[in-house]
Amino acid sequence: KAGVTQTPRYLIKTRGQQVTLSCSPISGHRSVSWYQQTPGQGLQFLFEYFSETQRNKGNFPGRFSGRQFSNSRSEMNVSTLELGDSALYLCASSLLSQETQYFGPGTRLLVL
Amino acid sequence: EDQVTQSPEALRLQEGESSSLNCSYTVSGLRGLFWYRQDPGKGPEFLFTLYSAGEEKEKERLKATLTKKESFLHITAPKPEDSATYLCAVDQGAQKLVFGQGTRLTINP
Repeated sequence: KAGVTQTPRYLIKTRGQQVTLSCSPISGHRSVSWYQQTPGQGLQFLFEYFSETQRNKGNFPGRFSGRQFSNSRSEMNVSTLELGDSALYLCASSLLSQETQYFGPGTRLLVL
Repeated sequence: EDQVTQSPEALRLQEGESSSLNCSYTVSGLRGLFWYRQDPGKGPEFLFTLYSAGEEKEKERLKATLTKKESFLHITAPKPEDSATYLCAVDQGAQKLVFGQGTRLTINP
């Protein structure tokens, strides 16, 4: 069974630009969560989608948004990029709610 | 607010030298405690889920245990390929995991 896939794997942007990251969950998984990982803050929860609905959101500014499609694929968007947005963005999927989350390889974003 | 603290931050062992990693947590109503392994530049790899105090799970050289306030990841006779960062997380509900800062484990041959 294929794992969680994320595209692109690496991205370089400049301040003020926007970026869209994509996540394809494990086949049959309906919940997709997004996390930001930085050396200073570690892994922090961004938001979670289940059946195209955002059910939970972490403490991030409104510049961070996401959506989920009917096939459970999810996208995350960051607008007006700041230097501090440089991080590894991880997507995780689970079969249902309150289930183990399986992570993808991440998208490494560098903001210059 | 739920908190997860892992110790030590880094641990260096010789091959075959057993040890334990600690994860202490404060959470109102544990829905699940998770252990992940993360290699440099990769996403976390799932290891174990524990739900109630007294529960234990094993996989190869790893054994995870859970009490009401902490969890231990015991590593028996480790090999160099066990070198990685080990992450502990608690489920805060609605698929929100709260992670500790991790323990960076290095096994020297």
